[in-house]
Amino acid sequence: ETGVTQSPTHLIKTRGQQVTLRCSSQSGHNTVSWYQQALGQGPQFIFQYYREEENGRGNFPPRFSGLQFPNYSSELNVNALELDDSALYLCASSLNPYGDRHYGYTFGSGTRLTVV
Amino acid sequence: QKEVEQNSGPLSVPEGAIASLNCTYSDRGSQSFFWYRQYSGKSPELIMSIYSNGDKEDGRFTAQLNKASQYVSLLIRDSQPSDSATYLCAATVGMDSSYKLIFGSGTRLLVRP
Repeated sequence: ETGVTQSPTHLIKTRGQQVTLRCSSQSGHNTVSWYQQALGQGPQFIFQYYREEENGRGNFPPRFSGLQFPNYSSELNVNALELDDSALYLCASSLNPYGDRHYGYTFGSGTRLTVV
Repeated sequence: QKEVEQNSGPLSVPEGAIASLNCTYSDRGSQSFFWYRQYSGKSPELIMSIYSNGDKEDGRFTAQLNKASQYVSLLIRDSQPSDSATYLCAATVGMDSSYKLIFGSGTRLLVRP
Protein backbone atom coordinates (compact mmCIF):
# COMPACT_ATOMS: atom_id res chain seq x y z
CA GLU A 1 0.00 0.00 0.00
CA THR A 2 1.52 3.31 -1.07
CA GLY A 3 1.09 6.51 0.89
CA VAL A 4 0.38 10.00 -0.40
CA THR A 5 3.09 11.28 -2.72
CA GLN A 6 3.62 14.89 -3.76
CA SER A 7 5.81 16.50 -6.37
CA PRO A 8 7.96 18.46 -6.62
CA THR A 9 9.44 18.64 -3.11
CA HIS A 10 10.79 22.15 -3.53
CA LEU A 11 10.05 24.92 -6.01
CA ILE A 12 11.17 28.50 -6.49
CA LYS A 13 9.01 30.81 -8.61
CA THR A 14 8.95 34.49 -9.43
CA ARG A 15 6.07 36.76 -8.44
CA GLY A 16 3.39 36.76 -11.14
CA GLN A 17 4.23 33.29 -12.44
CA GLN A 18 1.98 30.24 -12.34
CA VAL A 19 2.69 26.94 -10.58
CA THR A 20 1.26 23.41 -10.63
CA LEU A 21 1.70 21.02 -7.73
CA ARG A 22 0.84 17.34 -7.96
CA CYS A 23 -0.46 14.73 -5.56
CA SER A 24 -1.14 11.01 -5.76
CA SER A 25 -3.59 9.78 -3.14
CA GLN A 26 -3.11 6.76 -0.93
CA SER A 27 -4.36 3.50 -2.40
CA GLY A 28 -8.09 3.12 -1.76
CA HIS A 29 -8.62 6.82 -1.00
CA ASN A 30 -10.96 8.74 -3.32
CA THR A 31 -10.88 12.20 -1.74
CA VAL A 32 -8.03 14.70 -1.85
CA SER A 33 -7.72 17.91 0.16
CA TRP A 34 -5.11 20.62 -0.21
CA TYR A 35 -3.71 22.73 2.61
CA GLN A 36 -1.37 25.72 2.77
CA GLN A 37 0.93 25.97 5.78
CA ALA A 38 2.78 29.23 6.28
CA LEU A 39 5.79 29.28 8.58
CA GLY A 40 4.76 29.02 12.22
CA GLN A 41 1.09 28.43 11.40
CA GLY A 42 -1.19 25.44 11.23
CA PRO A 43 -2.30 24.11 7.85
CA GLN A 44 -5.12 26.13 6.24
CA PHE A 45 -7.75 24.32 4.17
CA ILE A 46 -7.69 25.35 0.48
CA PHE A 47 -10.19 22.93 -1.11
CA GLN A 48 -11.26 19.31 -1.41
CA TYR A 49 -11.85 17.16 -4.49
CA TYR A 50 -14.13 14.15 -4.74
CA ARG A 51 -15.25 12.41 -7.92
CA GLU A 52 -13.26 14.89 -9.97
CA GLU A 53 -15.19 17.88 -8.63
CA GLU A 54 -14.44 20.54 -6.05
CA ASN A 55 -16.34 19.49 -2.95
CA GLY A 56 -15.62 22.35 -0.56
CA ARG A 57 -13.42 25.42 -0.48
CA GLY A 58 -11.69 27.53 2.15
CA ASN A 59 -11.03 31.28 2.10
CA PHE A 60 -8.67 31.31 -0.85
CA PRO A 61 -9.03 33.47 -3.99
CA PRO A 62 -10.01 31.99 -7.38
CA ARG A 63 -6.40 32.07 -8.57
CA PHE A 64 -6.08 28.90 -6.49
CA SER A 65 -7.65 26.13 -8.54
CA GLY A 66 -7.42 22.40 -8.77
CA LEU A 67 -8.20 19.22 -10.63
CA GLN A 68 -8.81 15.62 -9.71
CA PHE A 69 -8.27 12.83 -12.20
CA PRO A 70 -10.10 9.49 -12.59
CA ASN A 71 -7.30 7.73 -10.69
CA TYR A 72 -7.98 10.16 -7.78
CA SER A 73 -4.67 11.99 -8.18
CA SER A 74 -4.90 15.76 -8.02
CA GLU A 75 -3.26 19.01 -9.03
CA LEU A 76 -3.17 22.39 -7.34
CA ASN A 77 -2.68 25.36 -9.62
CA VAL A 78 -1.85 28.84 -8.43
CA ASN A 79 -1.87 31.74 -10.88
CA ALA A 80 -0.35 35.20 -10.51
CA LEU A 81 1.89 34.13 -7.64
CA GLU A 82 2.35 36.57 -4.77
CA LEU A 83 5.13 36.68 -2.19
CA ASP A 84 2.62 35.59 0.50
CA ASP A 85 2.00 32.35 -1.40
CA SER A 86 5.37 31.13 -0.12
CA ALA A 87 4.46 28.19 2.09
CA LEU A 88 4.43 24.41 2.50
CA TYR A 89 1.60 22.97 0.42
CA LEU A 90 0.21 19.75 1.79
CA CYS A 91 -2.00 17.23 0.10
CA ALA A 92 -4.12 14.90 2.23
CA SER A 93 -6.18 11.94 1.10
CA SER A 94 -9.06 10.21 2.83
CA LEU A 95 -11.33 7.23 2.27
CA ASN A 96 -14.28 9.47 1.47
CA PRO A 97 -15.37 13.13 1.78
CA TYR A 98 -16.31 12.55 5.42
CA GLY A 99 -12.82 11.50 6.42
CA ASP A 100 -12.28 8.65 8.81
CA ARG A 101 -12.85 9.10 12.52
CA HIS A 102 -10.00 6.72 13.37
CA TYR A 103 -7.37 7.43 10.76
CA GLY A 104 -8.25 10.96 9.78
CA TYR A 105 -6.47 12.17 6.73
CA THR A 106 -3.12 10.93 5.41
CA PHE A 107 -0.74 13.72 4.49
CA GLY A 108 1.91 13.74 1.82
CA SER A 109 5.40 15.07 2.48
CA GLY A 110 4.50 18.46 1.01
CA THR A 111 5.84 20.87 -1.57
CA ARG A 112 7.84 23.82 -0.30
CA LEU A 113 7.04 26.77 -2.58
CA THR A 114 9.15 29.91 -2.43
CA VAL A 115 8.02 32.99 -4.36
CA VAL A 116 10.68 35.62 -4.95
CA GLN B 1 -15.31 31.46 11.47
CA LYS B 2 -14.78 27.98 12.92
CA GLU B 3 -11.59 27.92 14.97
CA VAL B 4 -9.24 25.66 16.86
CA GLU B 5 -7.09 27.37 19.48
CA GLN B 6 -3.79 26.17 20.92
CA ASN B 7 -1.12 27.76 23.05
CA SER B 8 1.89 28.25 20.78
CA GLY B 9 4.40 27.44 23.53
CA PRO B 10 7.12 26.44 23.67
CA LEU B 11 6.21 23.95 26.35
CA SER B 12 9.43 22.77 27.95
CA VAL B 13 9.48 19.59 30.05
CA PRO B 14 12.35 17.43 31.36
CA GLU B 15 12.93 13.97 29.96
CA GLY B 16 10.67 11.43 31.66
CA ALA B 17 8.01 13.96 32.65
CA ILE B 18 4.40 14.17 31.47
CA ALA B 19 3.72 16.74 28.76
CA SER B 20 0.18 18.13 28.65
CA LEU B 21 -1.03 19.80 25.46
CA ASN B 22 -4.40 21.54 25.25
CA CYS B 23 -6.77 22.68 22.55
CA THR B 24 -10.22 24.29 22.36
CA TYR B 25 -12.59 24.36 19.40
CA SER B 26 -15.47 26.63 18.52
CA ASP B 27 -17.77 24.45 16.36
CA ARG B 28 -20.10 22.36 18.53
CA GLY B 29 -20.85 20.28 15.44
CA SER B 30 -17.28 18.98 15.24
CA GLN B 31 -17.33 15.23 15.67
CA SER B 32 -13.78 13.95 15.31
CA PHE B 33 -10.55 15.31 16.67
CA PHE B 34 -6.96 14.54 15.82
CA TRP B 35 -3.51 15.21 17.18
CA TYR B 36 -0.74 15.41 14.62
CA ARG B 37 2.98 15.65 15.32
CA GLN B 38 5.06 17.75 12.96
CA TYR B 39 8.83 17.88 12.95
CA SER B 40 10.43 21.00 11.51
CA GLY B 41 10.18 21.01 7.72
CA LYS B 42 8.19 17.76 7.62
CA SER B 43 4.54 16.95 7.07
CA PRO B 44 2.04 16.23 9.89
CA GLU B 45 1.95 12.69 11.23
CA LEU B 46 -1.16 11.35 12.97
CA ILE B 47 -0.58 10.55 16.66
CA MET B 48 -4.09 10.10 18.06
CA SER B 49 -7.71 10.38 17.04
CA ILE B 50 -10.71 10.70 19.37
CA TYR B 51 -14.45 11.15 18.82
CA SER B 52 -16.08 10.05 22.08
CA ASN B 53 -16.07 11.92 25.39
CA GLY B 54 -13.46 10.65 27.80
CA ASP B 55 -9.97 9.25 27.48
CA LYS B 56 -8.32 7.19 24.78
CA GLU B 57 -4.92 5.66 25.43
CA ASP B 58 -2.32 4.41 22.97
CA GLY B 59 1.08 3.58 24.42
CA ARG B 60 2.58 6.70 25.99
CA PHE B 61 -0.16 8.91 24.55
CA THR B 62 -3.58 9.69 26.01
CA ALA B 63 -6.12 11.88 24.26
CA GLN B 64 -8.95 13.42 26.25
CA LEU B 65 -12.16 14.90 24.86
CA ASN B 66 -14.77 16.97 26.67
CA LYS B 67 -17.48 18.01 24.23
CA ALA B 68 -19.42 20.05 26.80
CA SER B 69 -16.36 22.24 27.36
CA GLN B 70 -15.22 21.95 23.72
CA TYR B 71 -11.81 20.91 24.94
CA VAL B 72 -9.30 18.35 23.69
CA SER B 73 -6.01 17.45 25.28
CA LEU B 74 -3.03 15.19 24.68
CA LEU B 75 -0.89 13.75 27.44
CA ILE B 76 2.54 12.34 26.64
CA ARG B 77 3.94 10.17 29.42
CA ASP B 78 7.65 9.49 29.90
CA SER B 79 8.52 12.27 27.46
CA GLN B 80 11.61 11.66 25.32
CA PRO B 81 13.82 14.17 23.49
CA SER B 82 12.53 12.60 20.25
CA ASP B 83 9.05 13.87 21.19
CA SER B 84 10.30 17.44 20.66
CA ALA B 85 8.15 18.72 17.81
CA THR B 86 5.11 20.87 17.08
CA TYR B 87 1.80 19.24 17.98
CA LEU B 88 -1.20 20.21 15.89
CA CYS B 89 -4.75 19.81 17.12
CA ALA B 90 -7.40 19.42 14.40
CA ALA B 91 -11.19 19.15 14.34
CA THR B 92 -13.56 18.10 11.59
CA VAL B 93 -15.95 20.82 10.47
CA GLY B 94 -18.95 20.09 8.26
CA MET B 95 -19.25 21.54 4.79
CA ASP B 96 -22.28 21.13 2.50
CA SER B 97 -21.60 17.50 1.63
CA SER B 98 -18.35 16.64 3.31
CA TYR B 99 -16.00 17.48 6.13
CA LYS B 100 -12.77 19.42 6.30
CA LEU B 101 -10.07 19.56 8.91
CA ILE B 102 -9.49 22.79 10.79
CA PHE B 103 -6.12 23.05 12.52
CA GLY B 104 -4.83 25.03 15.42
CA SER B 105 -1.55 26.87 15.01
CA GLY B 106 0.28 24.19 16.97
CA THR B 107 2.11 23.92 20.29
CA ARG B 108 5.87 23.52 20.20
CA LEU B 109 7.08 20.92 22.70
CA LEU B 110 10.68 20.82 23.88
CA VAL B 111 11.82 17.83 25.93
CA ARG B 112 15.06 18.60 27.76
CA PRO B 113 17.53 15.68 28.22
